[in-house]
Amino acid sequence: QKEVEQDPGPLSVPEGAIVSLNCTYSNSAFQYFMWYRQYSRKGPELLMYTYSSGNKEDGRFTAQVDKSSKYISLFIRDSQPSDSATYLCAMSGRLNQFYFGTGTSLTVIP
Amino acid sequence: NAGVTQTPKFRILKIGQSMTLQCTQDMNHNYMYWYRQDPGMGLKLIYYSVGAGITDKGEVPNGYNVSRSTTEDFPLRLELAAPSQTSVYFCASSRMGAGELFFGEGSRLTVL
Repeated sequence: QKEVEQDPGPLSVPEGAIVSLNCTYSNSAFQYFMWYRQYSRKGPELLMYTYSSGNKEDGRFTAQVDKSSKYISLFIRDSQPSDSATYLCAMSGRLNQFYFGTGTSLTVIP
Repeated sequence: NAGVTQTPKFRILKIGQSMTLQCTQDMNHNYMYWYRQDPGMGLKLIYYSVGAGITDKGEVPNGYNVSRSTTEDFPLRLELAAPSQTSVYFCASSRMGAGELFFGEGSRLTVL
């Protein structure tokens, strides 16, 4: 079983839609949960960072962590064409070892 | 604040050639990492370092070497390049005990 599972998509939505991206994981020792946005031919850019369970909101982005279900989500409200990218989930424990999903490709259609 | 800087951005190598990918960070991070990213395969860890003078293998170390003589620099050496090393390489860094990982812009390598 992979440490982190992420649906690769691709996901295509109309502009203004709410987007939900998800990952599941198997290691209960993970404490840090991240979402990265990666534009084509660019490096991953840290979008959201959450420690332990709960929600975190930043503008149109909300990250949720449910440690009891080993499930994390990223919601994008009022999606824009500029949100078109690949979104990677990542997580780590205390030892600075990071585990990544394979990424979900998102296209927001104007 | 430059963050993590990688050079070169692009390189074409012939089979059997060697080269070094450079990585430097200006955030005084202890931890540094090299990943490769292949289409549909996600990020795979090649080598990592927990501080100057300390390096360790990741998931896919064969064909690569690293060194960490300073906190700032973490070069990746490719010896005897093979077509299987055609990939995009990312350097990253983080603080000890922190969950945030910061990436460079990547080095796109083609081996022909």
